[in-house]
Amino acid sequence: AQSVTQPDIHITVSEGASLELRCNYSYGATPYLFWYVQSPGQGLQLLLKYFSGDTLVQGIKGFEAEFKRSQSSFNLRKPSVHWSDAAEYFCAVVRNSGGSNYKLTFGKGTLLTVNP
Amino acid sequence: SQTIHQWPATLVQPVGSPLSLECTVEGTSNPNLYWYRQAAGRGLQLLFYSVGIGQISSEVPQNLSASRPQDRQFILSSKKLLLSDSGFYLCAWRRGSPGNTIYFGEGSWLTVV
Repeated sequence: AQSVTQPDIHITVSEGASLELRCNYSYGATPYLFWYVQSPGQGLQLLLKYFSGDTLVQGIKGFEAEFKRSQSSFNLRKPSVHWSDAAEYFCAVVRNSGGSNYKLTFGKGTLLTVNP
Repeated sequence: SQTIHQWPATLVQPVGSPLSLECTVEGTSNPNLYWYRQAAGRGLQLLFYSVGIGQISSEVPQNLSASRPQDRQFILSSKKLLLSDSGFYLCAWRRGSPGNTIYFGEGSWLTVV
């Protein structure tokens, strides 16, 4: 069965510091990978996605992620964190990449706290 | 552009009462539609998904049901709520093939008391 692991439940960084959120997946085929962000009481906003091609993908709000097949990872990075980045971040993989059985499987999320 | 609306945004219901949460997508046709639940400590759980009118797949056995009476409308229901139904319910959609990104609504908070 497919699964997504986000090893860090909670990360605290200082404003201006760099950030890396880890995500590992278990999937038998070429995955579609996503990062979503959720502010308290809000829905999920798509940050970026990887389907194929260049393994370094750029997203909104200055985020990027790198797909590493050899490590089954899709880590999210930002060079300089802003206070407004404080939120919960979810990594997700599509269970089947086509047809009518197209469903996201999520990691448990990483809560990011940003200190001033 | 496409938008997704969920209502009500917040709901407090007594145990044993019925539930109806509605979701509507605008600006697209024949979307795939999803209901997810986010409960404390349990992450995001897929409850139902639909590829067309009247076509509903259930992911987990539970006290809830879903219906799709119109192409862009998805309804989550319960005849009798349980305390364990409390949580944050998210509707989501993706464009029918080819459409590889799933987009989420703003969510509905349900508290069962």
